[in-house]
Amino acid sequence: DGGITQSPKYLFRKEGQNVTLSCEQNLNHDAMYWYRQDPGQGLRLIYYSQIVNDFQKGDIAEGYSVSREKKESFPLTVTSAQKNPTAFYLCASSIVRGGNQPQHFGDGTRLSIL
Amino acid sequence: KQEVTQIPAALSVPEGENLVLNCSFTDSAIYNLQWFRQDPGKGLTSLLLIQSSQREQTSGRLNASLDKSSGRSTLYIAASQPGDSATYLCAVRGSSSYKLIFGSGTRLLVRP
Repeated sequence: DGGITQSPKYLFRKEGQNVTLSCEQNLNHDAMYWYRQDPGQGLRLIYYSQIVNDFQKGDIAEGYSVSREKKESFPLTVTSAQKNPTAFYLCASSIVRGGNQPQHFGDGTRLSIL
Repeated sequence: KQEVTQIPAALSVPEGENLVLNCSFTDSAIYNLQWFRQDPGKGLTSLLLIQSSQREQTSGRLNASLDKSSGRSTLYIAASQPGDSATYLCAVRGSSSYKLIFGSGTRLLVRP
C-alpha cells in the first residue's frame, strides 16, 4: 500500500533536548512538507522540499531543521530553540509536475513537553 | 498576505440533512483550492481539488464550488450521515508558490 508513514505517533521532549520526527513516503512524490497544527487551528507550514538535497523555509521555520538526503525521507528536528514545541506535526507529499495535484498526509506525530 | 477563513467553526445537524460549509480567502490570485477532512488525532484526507479555472468539483455526495472573484468556496454535503462527522479544512495554493494556506476548519457533528 502506498502512503506516508510518520513515527513515532507520540513523542515527549525534555527541556533543552532536540528530537527528530520521521516521515517516509513510498508514493514516489518529489515534494514533501512539514506542517504544525495547534488546537482548533489550521495547519502552518514549517519547511518544504521540492527535490532531494534542497528545501525551503515555510512560515514558522524558527527552531526547526530538516534534511532531504533521499526522495523517500524528510525528517524534522525540533531543536531546543523552539520554545513552544507542543503541537501536532503533520508530514505531506505531492507530485510537483502538473501543478494541480493534491497533497497526501501522514497520520501525524503528537509532541509534548515533559 | 493570503488569509483563509472558515465559518462556522462548528456545526451540529441531524442525520439526513443537506449542509453547506463555507470558506473565504482574501487574495483571489490562487492556483487551486482544496477541501480536506480530518478525523480526531489523524492526518488529512483530500476530498476535492478545484483548479483556478474551474467552478466546481463533485465526488459522490460532496460538491465543492469556487468563486474566485468573490474569494469564496463552499462544500456541499448531501444527505449527511454520522460517518461524515469530522473537521473539514479548506486550503488555497497561491499562483506563485507551492505553499498551501489553511483555514482553521469547521468541526461537523452529524447526529443519528
